[in-house]
Amino acid sequence: EIVLTQSPGTLSLSPGERATLSCRASRRASSAYLAWYQQKPGQAPRLLIYGPSGRATGVPDRFSGSGSGTDFTLTISRLEPEDFAVYYCQQYGSSPPSFGQGTKVEVK
Amino acid sequence: QVHLEESGPGLVKPSQTLSLNCTVSGGSINSGAYHWSWIRQAPGQGLEWIGYIHYSGWSHSNPSLESRVTLSLDTSKNQVFLKLKSVTAADTAVYYCAREAPSDYDFGPQDFWGPGTLVTVSS
Repeated sequence: EIVLTQSPGTLSLSPGERATLSCRASRRASSAYLAWYQQKPGQAPRLLIYGPSGRATGVPDRFSGSGSGTDFTLTISRLEPEDFAVYYCQQYGSSPPSFGQGTKVEVK
Repeated sequence: QVHLEESGPGLVKPSQTLSLNCTVSGGSINSGAYHWSWIRQAPGQGLEWIGYIHYSGWSHSNPSLESRVTLSLDTSKNQVFLKLKSVTAADTAVYYCAREAPSDYDFGPQDFWGPGTLVTVSS
C-alpha cells in the first residue's frame, strides 16, 4: 500500500493569503491518479482535484494541483473564508487506494 | 445530480455484523461507468477506503478488511450494501458511500458522497 504523508498538519493563514499543502508518497505515485478533497466539520469530503490537473465541477480556479513522482502539492491561490477546512490527498493508481492523514487550514 | 444516502443501525455489538445500505437517487447504479464505493472515517481520524462494487457484481475490497467485508447491490432498488463481520471497537467510524468516477485504471476518485452515518461498536 502506498502511504501518503501530508504536511504540515495544521496551516494557520489569513484570508487572501496563499496556501501550499504537501502530500508525499511512500513510493512513486502517478499524478494521473492523485486527488485532493476538502472536508468541513460534520460534512462528507468534497472532491476538488483529480488526475494531473482536473478540477471537479464547481471548484473555483483558485484551487490547483501539481507534482510528480512522490511529491504533490495543492495550492489555494487566495484563501476565501469558506476555504478553511481539512484537506486530504488520495492516490488511486495503486491498490488499495489510500488517503493522507489530512492538513487542517485554519484562520490565523 | 446524484444523491447518495447511507442508512443502518448506529450501534453494533462487538463480534456482530455491521450492515449498511446506500440508496442512490438521481442516477442509476446500472450505469457501467461507475463503481460504488464505501469509505470510513474513525472519530477524529483520516479516511480509509473499504472497497467498491460495480453493477455487474464485481467488487474489490481493501486487503486489510477483505476477509470481513461483503459488498452487494440491488439494481431494482438502486441500493448498494456493506456488511462487515466480526466487528470490534476499532470499526467505530462514520461510514460513507460514494460514487467512484471512471478513470483509465482500476480505481477512480470519489466524486459524489453520501452524508455518512456513524456506527459505534459497543456492548
